[in-house]
Amino acid sequence: AQSVTQPDIHITVSEGASLELRCNYSYGATPYLFWYVQSPGQGLQLLLKYFSGDTLVQGIKGFEAEFKRSQSSFNLRKPSVHWSDAAEYYCAVGENYGQNFVFGPGTRLSVLP
Amino acid sequence: AAGVIQSPRHLIKEKRETATLKCYPIPRHDTVYWYQQGPGQDPQFLISFYEKMQSDKGSIPDRFSAQQFSDYHSELNMSSLELGDSALYFCASSTRLAGGGDTQYFGPGTRLTVL
Repeated sequence: AQSVTQPDIHITVSEGASLELRCNYSYGATPYLFWYVQSPGQGLQLLLKYFSGDTLVQGIKGFEAEFKRSQSSFNLRKPSVHWSDAAEYYCAVGENYGQNFVFGPGTRLSVLP
Repeated sequence: AAGVIQSPRHLIKEKRETATLKCYPIPRHDTVYWYQQGPGQDPQFLISFYEKMQSDKGSIPDRFSAQQFSDYHSELNMSSLELGDSALYFCASSTRLAGGGDTQYFGPGTRLTVL
């Protein structure tokens, strides 16, 4: 069964600084990978996804992620963080048609003014 | 664009009562998923339906049941509620018609509090 790890429970960055959130997955075949963001008390919003093709994917809100098969990673990046980016970020992996969809434990991002 | 709708947004029940949560998927989406997110926890998959048939089952308690109706909306029925059922319940929807895998779009959630 697939699994997802997010090594950083909590990250704090200053506004305007760059950001990288780590995600590692365990899956036997080619995974379908996602990043979601959740603001306090809110639902999960899809930031970006990777199914196949170009390993660098662009998402909403200026986020991007790079799929590295050799490292089983799908790290999320943003060149300049805004205060509104403070939230919980979840990496997720799934099979085709949503089978065995699994979330990582999440990384909480705090942004200093 | 239309999103996933969940109702109610908040629900307060007492132990041993029953609760029904509703989910209206994005139009033309054929698959619905239910998740439970406890305080400080990541979402845990409960159950999913494709074309009104159960397609996958996760850690859903026997006290819970769900179904998808002909209009593709889904209901999660929870009986004999326990304090530990207090959580945020998310519904997500997707479509296989788009091909290339699955992208789940989440609703705002229903916050259930059991007293």
